Amino acid sequence: GAVVSQHPSRVICKSGTSVKIECRSLDFQATTMFWYRQFPKQSLMLMATSNEGSKATYEQGVEKDKFLINHASLTLSTLTVTSAHPEDSSFYICSASTTSRSTDTQYFGPGTRLTVL
Amino acid sequence: GQQVMQIPQYQHVQEGEDFTTYCNSSTTLSNIQWYKQRPGGHPVFLIQLVKSGEVKKQKRLTFQFGEAKKNSSLHITATQTTDVGTYFCAGRANQGGKLIFGQGTELSVKP
Repeated sequence: GAVVSQHPSRVICKSGTSVKIECRSLDFQATTMFWYRQFPKQSLMLMATSNEGSKATYEQGVEKDKFLINHASLTLSTLTVTSAHPEDSSFYICSASTTSRSTDTQYFGPGTRLTVL
Repeated sequence: GQQVMQIPQYQHVQEGEDFTTYCNSSTTLSNIQWYKQRPGGHPVFLIQLVKSGEVKKQKRLTFQFGEAKKNSSLHITATQTTDVGTYFCAGRANQGGKLIFGQGTELSVKP
């Protein structure tokens, strides 16, 4: 099946620093990648949708200058949390879509747990 | 905007008992997907339902999509401890549109 990797799996950083998270589709080309954040015991909240070679589409309330998304190839998207603060601590999960006529499935990466001190 | 509501939020069952989680959308859906997230893990795709009234089975799991394509359910027969986790439904209003997740139902199974 389709495999999505995410790196790093965990990161602890100081307040004010920037953190980059990578999302890779390992065995398929992902036309679209999605970035979610999930707080403990809560659902997944979509942050942004990115298509290869174009600007990401951000959900309402998500600061595009704070959460920089780059989707440079069909197998790689990156999320950079700039000037991170403790309230940015969360579980960030990417997913990749391989849309076909019969399915419209998203495959999720293992997630990155960000802790900002 | 489109909302997907899921109930119950938590369900505690004895091993061997059945379990059902329900999902309701404020709008008609193009398709609905179900995911399972184990504690500390990431969501794993279980199934997608597309047709009105569709019923699909995966071993002890039965998935239904309502006739109006606005609600869905997941039923687990004779739960096992391996069923523990949070089950999310996620609906899409149109093909290629945004996937909206329900709040999830956390299932715990007592051996």
